[in-house]
Amino acid sequence: EAGVVQSPRYKIIEKKQPVAFWCNPISGHNTLYWYLQNLGQGPELLIRYENEEAVDDSQLPKDRFSAERLKGVDSTLKIQPAELGDSAVYLCASSAASGKSPDTQYFGPGTRLTVL
Amino acid sequence: GNSVTQMEGPVTLSEEAFLTINCTYTATGYPSLFWYVQYPGEGLQLLLKATKADDKGSNKGFEATYRKETTSFHLEKGSVQVSDSAVYFCALRSGTASKLTFGTGTRLQVTL
Repeated sequence: EAGVVQSPRYKIIEKKQPVAFWCNPISGHNTLYWYLQNLGQGPELLIRYENEEAVDDSQLPKDRFSAERLKGVDSTLKIQPAELGDSAVYLCASSAASGKSPDTQYFGPGTRLTVL
Repeated sequence: GNSVTQMEGPVTLSEEAFLTINCTYTATGYPSLFWYVQYPGEGLQLLLKATKADDKGSNKGFEATYRKETTSFHLEKGSVQVSDSAVYFCALRSGTASKLTFGTGTRLQVTL
């Protein structure tokens, strides 16, 4: 079974440029998560989707970050414009269920963003 | 709010040594507890979990017991290998919420 796929694995951009990250979850997983992992820290949730609906985006900086999951499968996270402090690893995860029985979250390899 | 505190690393051990990585938590209700491992260049992988007090999670020789009285979930392994070198994250999920709250991670380096 294929795991969570993310691309690109690495991205280097200059500040003020836009950037987008793509995630394809494990087949059949309805719940998709985007996490931010700063160097030397644990991941922190940015947004959670149940199918195509964003059910928890309270930690997403909406002035520059946006996300979509139009068909309830793959998802895109965008930053526009990027700032130096956005340099981090962006992780995508998926799980089979949520609500009353949240299931194990499976993580992708992440996208390492460097903003110069 | 929820929080997880892990012992700071790096932890450096010789092969076959005993490993303990401490983890304590603060949470509302009765959280589920997890250990994830991140090998160099790879994503987080679930190592083990426990969903209620006194449960013991185990996998690949690693164990952790959910201790409600001490709000702890310490990770142990009796004999580490060089291949265990990685960053280990303790995490919790509170109640029916899906959000995971992670500790800062502990880097383990095992030498021959």
